[in-house]
Parts: sequence; structure tokens; C-alpha cells
Amino acid sequence: GQQVMQIPQYQHVQEGEDFTTYCNSSTTLSNIQWYKQRPGGHPVFLIQLVKSGEVKKQKRLTFQFGEAKKNSSLHITATQTTDVGTYFCAGPGNTGKLIFGQGTTLQVKP
Amino acid sequence: KAGVTQTPRYLIKTRGQQVTLSCSPISGHRSVSWYQQTPGQGLQFLFEYFSETQRNKGNFPGRFSGRQFSNSRSEMNVSTLELGDSALYLCASSLESGRNEQFFGPGTRLTVL
Repeated sequence: GQQVMQIPQYQHVQEGEDFTTYCNSSTTLSNIQWYKQRPGGHPVFLIQLVKSGEVKKQKRLTFQFGEAKKNSSLHITATQTTDVGTYFCAGPGNTGKLIFGQGTTLQVKP
Repeated sequence: KAGVTQTPRYLIKTRGQQVTLSCSPISGHRSVSWYQQTPGQGLQFLFEYFSETQRNKGNFPGRFSGRQFSNSRSEMNVSTLELGDSALYLCASSLESGRNEQFFGPGTRLTVL
């Protein structure tokens, strides 16, 4: 079946370092979405990318959608302790349901 | 606008019992999706309801069922609970489709003993 894979599963960084998580789909996606879940919280929508090669920025966060619309990345510049949490990518499967990656858990050491 | 609400927030049941979870979507949202979140399996799609009809279903046994009412509120039922059903159950709403931006509720933490 369709799969969305994310790497790495965990990442520990020193505050101020950069962080990147990668998302790969087994099939072409109509869109890719990114969510953040703080410890003890629920996923919160960050952004949706639709176009091939699209790049969007939100302050220190940069999101990219691959040319083939099968991969995506989230890059955080100069991490802060407020960036701690699990970042999920998700894409619509062929049957319409949203398929989530396993998530990348980011720990930031102050 | 009020966010997605879920009740109860925490639940403890024993094996063999059944449970009903409730979700109230954001006003105006007609699509409600349910997800099961566990440490080992991540976020797994259970089902999506739209205008009182199940539009999509994940790979869960028939013990998991749901419904949606005319006001878009949704309930999820799990019968004959098993230990492996312990998880965070998340409800998410969206305007028209489970394929787009999802607004998640706080979840119901179910523990099966």
C-alpha cells in the first residue's frame, strides 16, 4: 500500500543549530501537509504545499515540495527550545485518506 | 471560532468493555476524521465522515465504528476492547475534505486494562 516515510525518527540539536526532516512518499502526491505536535499536545497544521518545486517560508521554517511531488522537507534555521516537538508530514492517498509519516521528534538542548 | 472539542479527555476501561468517544468539529466544518495515535504506529487513519456518510475507512477491524450526526458532530465506538486499543484517539475536522488541512482536537486518551 501507499506509504509516507520520514527521516530521521529522532533528532537532538543544540539550541541555535539547524534542523531538517525529510519526507518521502511511495506515490505522487496532490499535496503535502506538515503538522507539529508538542509534547502532550495534538497535531497542529503548519502548511500545505501543492505545486511541484514549491518553497514556502514561515519565519525560521522553510518547506519544500519536490519536483516529482513525491518528497518534501522541513528545515528550521537556528532552532529554539520552542521548536521542540514531533513534526509530521502527510499526503492524501489514492483512496482519499490522509497518510501520515511516522514523524520526526526534535529535542533542543538549551 | 471554537476549536474541535473531544469528550471525554481520559478514559479507563477493561478488556471486553465497549467505549464511545465524541467529537464536535469547528462550526461550519462538514468533514470529520478519526485517527488512532500510538507510540509504535504513529497516526493511523480510522475513518472519515462527511454529511453523515462514511466517506473513507482505514484498515481497522469491525470493532471500530463511527457515525456522524446532522450537526456534523461525530461519535466513535469501539466494542470488545483489547489491551492493544490503548491509544490517543484524535478527531480532526476540515471544511470539505479529509484530504486537506485538518484541525485536530485535543484527543481522548483511552487506557484498556
